Amino acid sequence: SQQGEEDPQALSIQEGENATMNCSYKTSINNLQWYRQNSGRGLVHLILIRSNEREKHSGRLRVTLDTSKKSSSLLITASRAADTASYFCATDGKGGSEKLVFGKGTKLTVNP
Amino acid sequence: DAGITQSPRHKVTETGTPVTLRCHQTENHRYMYWYRQDPGHGLRLIHYSYGVKDTDKGEVSDGYSVSRSKTEDFLLTLESATSSQTSVYFCAISVGQGANSPLHFGNGTRLTVT
Repeated sequence: SQQGEEDPQALSIQEGENATMNCSYKTSINNLQWYRQNSGRGLVHLILIRSNEREKHSGRLRVTLDTSKKSSSLLITASRAADTASYFCATDGKGGSEKLVFGKGTKLTVNP
Repeated sequence: DAGITQSPRHKVTETGTPVTLRCHQTENHRYMYWYRQDPGHGLRLIHYSYGVKDTDKGEVSDGYSVSRSKTEDFLLTLESATSSQTSVYFCAISVGQGANSPLHFGNGTRLTVT
């Protein structure tokens, strides 16, 4: 069963706009990770946020985590056509699980 | 791709035949994973390994077995392929200190079972 669920399932925006994707999860976590997948390729790790962190930045990416609401968001600022991809959140288990559980992803299309 | 190679990249096989997919890493990482990706389901964990000869089941392990006889290779075997196992299979390695560190993925094996 999926731990994280992304929302929306699909998002289409114009170049230069910001894109926000959300992830909700069910059980306590140690950390939450975001990944990107270009068509026909494997997933690429973007950012990891620990349960005791509230916000993290990496370049044009901003991730927030609200453990009280069991949710996270990924914001991509000033989007580019090259950001077109699917984005997935992944969560572990609080007990030090050896497994990451992925959501179904948000498909982002950035139109030039 | 962080030293991960999956082979083959594409395979078409018939129902009932055994199939083995290979994942090879060059970096000596302890944790290795096999996921399958299907439309509407995202990525689902099949099996994982936490060391040589140490493996455990994921959420969709039925019909699959794995072996890890050396650190660098993690094999996924479909004992008797079925059409429901048509999917894209991804191998991943955990590149940090702990099991829930970031994963590096291979580029996948597209398997079609006819």
